[in-house]
Amino acid sequence: DIQLTQSPSFLSASVGDRVTITCRASQGISSYLAWYQQKPGKAPKLLIYAASTLQSGVPSRFSGSGSGTEFTLTISSLQPEDFATYYCQQLNSYPQTFGQGTKVEIK
Amino acid sequence: QVQLVESGGGVVQPGGSLRLSCAASGFTFSSYGMHWVRQAPGKGLEWVAFIRYDGSNKYYADSVKGRFTISRDNSKNTLYLQMNSLRAEDTAVYYCAKVLVRYGDYEGGDYWGQGTLVTVSS
Repeated sequence: DIQLTQSPSFLSASVGDRVTITCRASQGISSYLAWYQQKPGKAPKLLIYAASTLQSGVPSRFSGSGSGTEFTLTISSLQPEDFATYYCQQLNSYPQTFGQGTKVEIK
Repeated sequence: QVQLVESGGGVVQPGGSLRLSCAASGFTFSSYGMHWVRQAPGKGLEWVAFIRYDGSNKYYADSVKGRFTISRDNSKNTLYLQMNSLRAEDTAVYYCAKVLVRYGDYEGGDYWGQGTLVTVSS
């Protein structure tokens, strides 16, 4: 099975900060990677698919990059509504797997 | 608008069974693969199972293989997850999710239900 490792697991940042989250895969997955945002008590929300394609309706301050084994999610200017937990998911092969999550909290 | 509504969760004893349902509306259900994803209390997301749009292919996480069965009834726009031999570690909120791309097998979920809680406890 393909393992995904996110870093950091926890991030403290201020409104307006540029934030980068990394997701590393245990083997190459081309661009078969998605990013989700989850707020407490809510279902995950798809932000990015195919590693770098912004899902419809998602603000342009979110961007994704990478291919192969290393991927990043960047929030260019953190907004109050962005404080949440972020997950990557590999879609290259079954069983699909998620990273362990990165919690973004207010500094 | 797309809606996914899970039901069937509850409290069950270890070794017991439960069937979850996910009622879909607002899209052509028979054209989209569907996932089940779960989240144990205070933990991260865990992918559970996938079924192809026509039911011809099914995949499972190792942790549930042989105990859980995913199925669908396209005439009723409903997805199911039959869960047998339940264990304490199956306690979680279970979400159904619609695959992003029509007829796709290798995409994530663009719409998710609100989740249904399954608690396995004696």
